[in-house]
Amino acid sequence: GQQVMQIPQYQHVQEGEDFTTYCNSSTTLSNIQWYKQRPGGHPVFLIQLVKSGEVKKQKRLTFQFGEAKKNSSLHITATQTTDVGTYFCAVRLTQGGSEKLVFGKGTKLTVNP
Amino acid sequence: NAGVTQTPKFQVLKTGQSMTLQCAQDMNHNSMYWYRQDPGMGLRLIYYSASEGTTDKGEVPNGYNVSRLNKREFSLRLESAAPSQTSVYFCASLNWGELFFGEGSRLTVL
Repeated sequence: GQQVMQIPQYQHVQEGEDFTTYCNSSTTLSNIQWYKQRPGGHPVFLIQLVKSGEVKKQKRLTFQFGEAKKNSSLHITATQTTDVGTYFCAVRLTQGGSEKLVFGKGTKLTVNP
Repeated sequence: NAGVTQTPKFQVLKTGQSMTLQCAQDMNHNSMYWYRQDPGMGLRLIYYSASEGTTDKGEVPNGYNVSRLNKREFSLRLESAAPSQTSVYFCASLNWGELFFGEGSRLTVL
């Protein structure tokens, strides 16, 4: 089935440093989504990308969809302790009129104050 | 607006016991999902339901059954719990491509 590989699995940074997580697929993706899960919490939707080469920004977060639509990245500029959590990419798949979302394994970010 | 509500939040079972995780959403969404989350494994789809009366298997359906009772409710049943089913279970509903998750149910099987 469709798989997305997410790297790195863990990332530890000093507060103020930048952070990037990557999501890669061997096949062309129609879309990609990003979610954030705070420790002890549930995943929360951040953004969806659908266009080749698309770049979207949310304050210090920059999301990018590759030109070939096989990879995506989430970049955080100048991390803060509030950025701590696990970041997941996910792909929406449509089959026979129903939709399902398949998730990457996530990147766990810790920030040292 | 409560969103997606899961019960119970915590449960401890003995091997072989059965139980049902309840999920309800009040957002009038058609599609609902059950995921399990294990350390280092991300979120894995167990079952999903595109609408009332329909259910489909996800990536890891073995050992589970589901019921889409009506548009609001989607329950997950473990008929004979095994230690490998120790996990955090998340219910979610889908609207315009965005998943809305419940708070999760932490299940331990001894």
